[in-house]
Amino acid sequence: QVQLVESGGGLVKPGGSLRLSCAASGFTFSDYYMTWIRQAPGKGLEWVAYISNSGNTVYSADSVKGRFTISRDNAKNSLFLQMSSLRAEDTAVYYCARDQGLLPHFDCWGQGTLVAVSS
Amino acid sequence: EVVMTQSPATLSVSPGERVTLSCRASQSVGSDLAWYQQKLGQAPRLLIYDASTRATGIPARFSGSGSGTEFTLIISSLQSEDFAVYYCQQYSYWPPLTFGGGTKVEIK
Repeated sequence: QVQLVESGGGLVKPGGSLRLSCAASGFTFSDYYMTWIRQAPGKGLEWVAYISNSGNTVYSADSVKGRFTISRDNAKNSLFLQMSSLRAEDTAVYYCARDQGLLPHFDCWGQGTLVAVSS
Repeated sequence: EVVMTQSPATLSVSPGERVTLSCRASQSVGSDLAWYQQKLGQAPRLLIYDASTRATGIPARFSGSGSGTEFTLIISSLQSEDFAVYYCQQYSYWPPLTFGGGTKVEIK
């Protein structure tokens, strides 16, 4: 079955770095655009970054631009989010999600991985 | 940036009741709107896309309507498993992709 599994979350100090991974299975990963979406504790959903199926096109939210980088390895069916210069306000559960079609809405989500930024 | 506003923030409902959730966009997004359901401790689940198309496996009691700036999600007869937070998301003008703040449907 279609599955996304995130990993790499944890506790990090302000200014630190972390790399999140998302392992995909059950579908042809290289056919799909992918995204990262986060959710701060008790808050709503916030889109973070988006990548085309080839990896040639990426977009990111202004709140993370210049600090977070989305990438993918289609040979390994994996999506990544490299996070640097982390701030307290980056504390959230980070979800990877699959874009269902030509326009970005998301039909499959991982279980999420928690990133906590605190000294 | 397109701002999505959902109302009400919380809805107290009894099982079996009809539920109407609203989502408003700060500018027209055509029909480029999705609805998600998120239960406590779980990832969101896609319910509706293109404003009115049910996603795979979504029960017929969920329906979406609207276009432009005003959208509605209706649950025709609320079941116990439907108590959750519901989010709308526009994908007409992006980046950024934007979500509404959510409507929590709780037991009355």
